[in-house]
Amino acid sequence: DIQLTQFPSSLSASIGDRVTITCQASQDIKDLYWYQQKPGIAPKLLIYDASNLPTGVPSRFSGSGSGTRFTFTISSLHPEDFATYYCQQSDDFPLTFGGGTKVEI
Amino acid sequence: QVELVQSGAEVKKPGSSVKVSCKASGGIFSSYAINWVRQAPGQGLEWMGAIIPLFGTATYAQKFQGRVSITAAESTTTAYVELMNLKSDDTAVYYCARSMVRAVMPPSGFDYWGQGTLITVSS
Repeated sequence: DIQLTQFPSSLSASIGDRVTITCQASQDIKDLYWYQQKPGIAPKLLIYDASNLPTGVPSRFSGSGSGTRFTFTISSLHPEDFATYYCQQSDDFPLTFGGGTKVEI
Repeated sequence: QVELVQSGAEVKKPGSSVKVSCKASGGIFSSYAINWVRQAPGQGLEWMGAIIPLFGTATYAQKFQGRVSITAAESTTTAYVELMNLKSDDTAVYYCARSMVRAVMPPSGFDYWGQGTLITVSS
């Protein structure tokens, strides 16, 4: 199985801060996705194919990386961005998720 | 706009089975994979398996092989996951999620999600 290690597992930040989360894969992958999840709500897709934003996702969210190391960045934290973020790979079965990064105030 | 609506919460006894439904509306049902992802209380996300309704054959995570069945009915645009021989650590919210790319396996990431179904396993 492809393991995805996310770090940090949690972070404290303030409104307006730049936030970066890393997702390290146990082998080279191409299909990497990022999701945002708020308590009691289904995850929401924020980034697909490592760096693409779905329609309607604010441009303060971005993704980059290749191979085994990927990053997710929020350029300027908004109040509604406090949530847990997950990376996920679709290169091989079973699909796997990172352990999540909780972004707290 | 695609919408996935899941069946309601259930409480089950250990050793029993549960079947959760996911009714899709809008978009094309048959050629996009429907995935099942679960989340235990306070834990992360875990992919269980997926099916492309057009092809009818499901693929499962090894962890659930032999204990899970994913099916889909094109006539009603509904997908199902059945989990058998339930244990207390199967207590989780179960989500269906549609893959964003048509007719590929492994399934691509998920652009539409159901609202989740809480399954509680308790004696």
